[in-house]
Amino acid sequence: IAGITQAPTSQILAAGRRMTLRCTQDMRHNAMYWYRQDLGLGLRLIHYSNTAGTTGKGEVPDGYSVSRANTDDFPLTLASAVPSQTSVYFCASSDSRTSLRNEQFFGPGTRLTVL
Amino acid sequence: AQSVTQLDSHVSVSEGTPVLLRCNYSSSYSPSLFWYVQHPNKGLQLLLKYTSAATLVKGINGFEAEFKKSETSFHLTKPSAHMSDAAEYFCVVSIVGTASKLTFGTGTRLQVTL
Repeated sequence: IAGITQAPTSQILAAGRRMTLRCTQDMRHNAMYWYRQDLGLGLRLIHYSNTAGTTGKGEVPDGYSVSRANTDDFPLTLASAVPSQTSVYFCASSDSRTSLRNEQFFGPGTRLTVL
Repeated sequence: AQSVTQLDSHVSVSEGTPVLLRCNYSSSYSPSLFWYVQHPNKGLQLLLKYTSAATLVKGINGFEAEFKKSETSFHLTKPSAHMSDAAEYFCVVSIVGTASKLTFGTGTRLQVTL
């Protein structure tokens, strides 16, 4: 693994189903993030984690939950998917302890369609 | 509070001509500013960043940006466009020292024609 990986690459999901998007980084970054990207809206922060064991809400957290059991993994769960959650989801990480503070590194994205 | 405005949703240039993508920001504190590029069906890649050092920042692939505090601007430029520059570009603002507070612009799609 080099950098950030996300799985699955894409998924079609029936409304009401539960779905977990996976994100793993091997850079030992302390902070991780989940964004959704929608046409004309740029990227919007869903949830973040500044360090293992802590999480926080971003701009659009409703309908999503996260956990950060260790440094490397930051899964995003949709408990009961709705069509408005159709989007491209990006995971990112950063190391706020070094001069790279605030620079975020992005995964390749997961394209989710909720029908 | 912080925000960023990308003034053009779409820019079209001919190959070999200059590129200008405009970005204005608003921040209550000393900002960090970034430009990210996203090629079709790909993730985001950092082009360049300003973090309170030199105001003219050089990035990858010949891009550069100038931080102008008096104009609250951070426009992205390149002297000569290549076909491979066609992509979506995002201007991003962050408060220095805050790891979780990136605010993205809505993006500018750059089209490069022959």
